[in-house]
Amino acid sequence: AQSVTQLGSHVSVSEGALVLLRCNYSSSVPPYLFWYVQYPNQGLQLLLKYTSAATLVKGINGFEAEFKKSETSFHLTKPSAHMSDAAEYFCAVSKGGNKLVFGAGTILRVKS
Amino acid sequence: DTGVSQNPRHKITKRGQNVTFRCDPISEHNRLYWYRQTLGQGPEFLTYFQNEAQLEKSRLLSDRFSAERPKGSFSTLEIQRTEQGDSAMYLCASSLTGASNTGELFFGEGSRLTVL
Repeated sequence: AQSVTQLGSHVSVSEGALVLLRCNYSSSVPPYLFWYVQYPNQGLQLLLKYTSAATLVKGINGFEAEFKKSETSFHLTKPSAHMSDAAEYFCAVSKGGNKLVFGAGTILRVKS
Repeated sequence: DTGVSQNPRHKITKRGQNVTFRCDPISEHNRLYWYRQTLGQGPEFLTYFQNEAQLEKSRLLSDRFSAERPKGSFSTLEIQRTEQGDSAMYLCASSLTGASNTGELFFGEGSRLTVL
């Protein structure tokens, strides 16, 4: 069975600082991996996805993530946080293009 | 706007009442998913359809829950005899199948249920 673990339910960074949100996955086969963002009272929006092409994936709003098979990780980063990045972020895994399994989420707070 | 649409956005009901949510997917998408999200948790899979066929149901979907997609277009999720534990955000998503399918889902804004 596939699963996703997001380390840290809350992360707080200063504006302009590096953002690092951690995600580890468990999958018996090479997975597809996703990061979604959710702003208050809104649905989930795709940030980026890994689909077995390049291991470093670039997404929207300056975010990127690196697939590391040896570490079973897919951490999300952004070099410089903006106030508008404050939201909840979800890592998700899919096997063979079927349903997504989500992690518990990480709430990102950006301090001015 | 051709995104996923959900109605109603908010529903407050008394325990024991029935509620129904509707989801209109992106028109060319043949797969439709329902998820439930509670505070502090990620979305939890409930069920999904490919066209009108319901292909998988989670154990979370008790016999008080029923989902339909009668013509392979919109879907409804009905909860009978609601309980306070049913209070949650119900998310609908859609996707395409095919050789290029990576499992990416397109989500609606959700329907928030509050059971008093």
